[in-house]
Amino acid sequence: AQTVTQSQPEMSVQEAETVTLSCTYDTSESDYYLFWYKQPPSRQMILVIRQEAYKQQNATENRFSVNFQKAAKSFSLKISDSQLGDAAMYFCAYRSASMGNQGGKLIFGQGTELSVKP
Amino acid sequence: NAGVTQTPKFRVLKTGQSMTLLCAQDMNHEYMYWYRQDPGMGLRLIHYSVGEGTTAKGEVPDGYNVSRLKKQNFLLGLESAAPSQTSVYFCASSYSTGRKTQYFGPGTRLLVL
Repeated sequence: AQTVTQSQPEMSVQEAETVTLSCTYDTSESDYYLFWYKQPPSRQMILVIRQEAYKQQNATENRFSVNFQKAAKSFSLKISDSQLGDAAMYFCAYRSASMGNQGGKLIFGQGTELSVKP
Repeated sequence: NAGVTQTPKFRVLKTGQSMTLLCAQDMNHEYMYWYRQDPGMGLRLIHYSVGEGTTAKGEVPDGYNVSRLKKQNFLLGLESAAPSQTSVYFCASSYSTGRKTQYFGPGTRLLVL
């Protein structure tokens, strides 16, 4: 069974600085997808960024980028030029490429609460 | 474009009462999911559906039932609520390929006393 681990329950960053959130996962599959979701106080789950395991190039979305290390099974999220609106819970998630695995369910880590100081 | 909507947003139940949570999506997605989120944990899959008229169990299905009579709707039922079912419930939907992300509803907060 696949597992996702986020070892940092809380992180803090100064506004305009850079912060990196860690995520490791365990799987025996070779084809899968990894995601970072943001959950602000409104509880809405918002997709931040996605990475396909078969792509070596790290995904980027504006101020958000990932460091995907497939051999190490590591998937960290870097937030550059942090803004007050980035404060939220961040979840790392895994999805098998095989939709036969419980309908392609997302497997989530425990989350990292990010606070941004002005 | 409403995306994924959930009804109700918040509900308080007494132990033993029943209720149904409604999820609706307007993106013509084949797959739909129900997750629950508990403090200090990520979301866990309760049940899912890969198409109209189909349902299947996820990781934590006990105490819940689901139905998908129409493609756009996915209902989650609690026949006899227990305090352990106090949680935030999220519905999600997606296309039938893993590359496509799941779109989430705003969540339903349920308190069972």
